[in-house]
Amino acid sequence: KQEVTQIPAALSVPEGENLVLNCSFTDSAIYNLQWFRQDPGKGLTSLLLIQSSQREQTSGRLNASLDKSSGRSTLYIAASQPGDSATYLCAVETGRRALTFGSGTRLQVQP
Amino acid sequence: GAGVSQTPSNKVTEKGKYVELRCDPISGHTALYWYRQSLGQGPEFLIYFQGTGAADDSGLPNDRFFAVRPEGSVSTLKIQRTERGDSAVYLCASSSDRLGNNEQFFGPGTRLTVL
Repeated sequence: KQEVTQIPAALSVPEGENLVLNCSFTDSAIYNLQWFRQDPGKGLTSLLLIQSSQREQTSGRLNASLDKSSGRSTLYIAASQPGDSATYLCAVETGRRALTFGSGTRLQVQP
Repeated sequence: GAGVSQTPSNKVTEKGKYVELRCDPISGHTALYWYRQSLGQGPEFLIYFQGTGAADDSGLPNDRFFAVRPEGSVSTLKIQRTERGDSAVYLCASSSDRLGNNEQFFGPGTRLTVL
């Protein structure tokens, strides 16, 4: 059974800092990995999708990497801003189409 | 519409009652998913539709939960004899269902509270 773990569970940083969020998964036979952002009381916003054949994806200040063989992904956020404060979730698809999610990292960027 | 929409946004019901939650996917998306999210946790898969049929319902917790998608677009999640443990946010997502590039887009969710 696929399990996804996100570390740290919570993170507080001053504005402007570069930061890394970690995601690990137990079954490396994935089709893709998706990073989401969730604001309090809201749904999920898709940030990046990395296909299993890819090593990384970039969107603006966000860069996500994937090391399928070791079961790890990282989300790098450059020059963090208070507006980046949210919970970040990673999820993997293992061919059943259903996503298996981690519990998220709650990020607070202090002005 | 441009995104996935869900109604109602909030639903409060009493234990033992029946509820229906509705999802309107992105136009043209053939795949539709239901997830359930408890406080402080990531969403958990409930059911996946490919067109009109339920391709995978392995996440439904018991037979009180049922979902339909009769015309391959709008879906309704139905919960019978609700229990307090059913309280959660129910999220719907849709995708183009392309294997390996199956980006899922989520709606704002329905917050269900069972008193």
